[in-house]
Amino acid sequence: GQQLNQSPQSMFIQEGEDVSMNCTSSSIFNTWLWYKQDPGEGPVLLIALYKAGELTSNGRLTAQFGITRKDSFLNISASIPSDVGIYFCAGGPYNQGGKLIFGQGTELSVKP
Amino acid sequence: GAVVSQHPSRVICKSGTSVKIECRSLDFQATTMFWYRQFPKQSLMLMATSNEGSKATYEQGVEKDKFLINHASLTLSTLTVTSAHPEDSSFYICSAPTVQGAWGYTFGSGTRLTVV
Repeated sequence: GQQLNQSPQSMFIQEGEDVSMNCTSSSIFNTWLWYKQDPGEGPVLLIALYKAGELTSNGRLTAQFGITRKDSFLNISASIPSDVGIYFCAGGPYNQGGKLIFGQGTELSVKP
Repeated sequence: GAVVSQHPSRVICKSGTSVKIECRSLDFQATTMFWYRQFPKQSLMLMATSNEGSKATYEQGVEKDKFLINHASLTLSTLTVTSAHPEDSSFYICSAPTVQGAWGYTFGSGTRLTVV
């Protein structure tokens, strides 16, 4: 089946540092989404990408939909302690009735 | 904004009993609801897709007789874990598209099921 490879699995950074994580797929997706999940909560949408090559920002977050449609990255600039959590990429395959396939997640820890 | 209300947030049940999880869309109609399961330190895995007024579609490997899904109205979808066993202990999350045809899915807050 289709899979997403998300890396890194975890990151330990100092407050103020920039963060980058990415996802790659073995097949083409027609959309990429980035979510953040806090412990014991459902995922919350951060950024949605709909077109190949699209670069979108949401505050300190920036994400891009790769030209090949098989990858996406998320950058967080000037990290703060509340950025702590697990970040998931999710891809929407073509002709799959709206299903999402999730990456394995990147656990971010920010040291004040 | 659009909210999916999921209840209960936590439930502990005895092995062999059944548990019902509800997801309600507030302020919007959810013709489709996706049900995910998430084991500790793992990603979300789609279990099934429910559509209002029709049978749910289950992903490969998910037992439809064990995980009963009902989408009785445009604002309510339920997942019943029947004859629960300890290996069913997991975090169950529902999700609904808030705009038909778009990708702005809203997730419920999840249900932590523990079977003892």
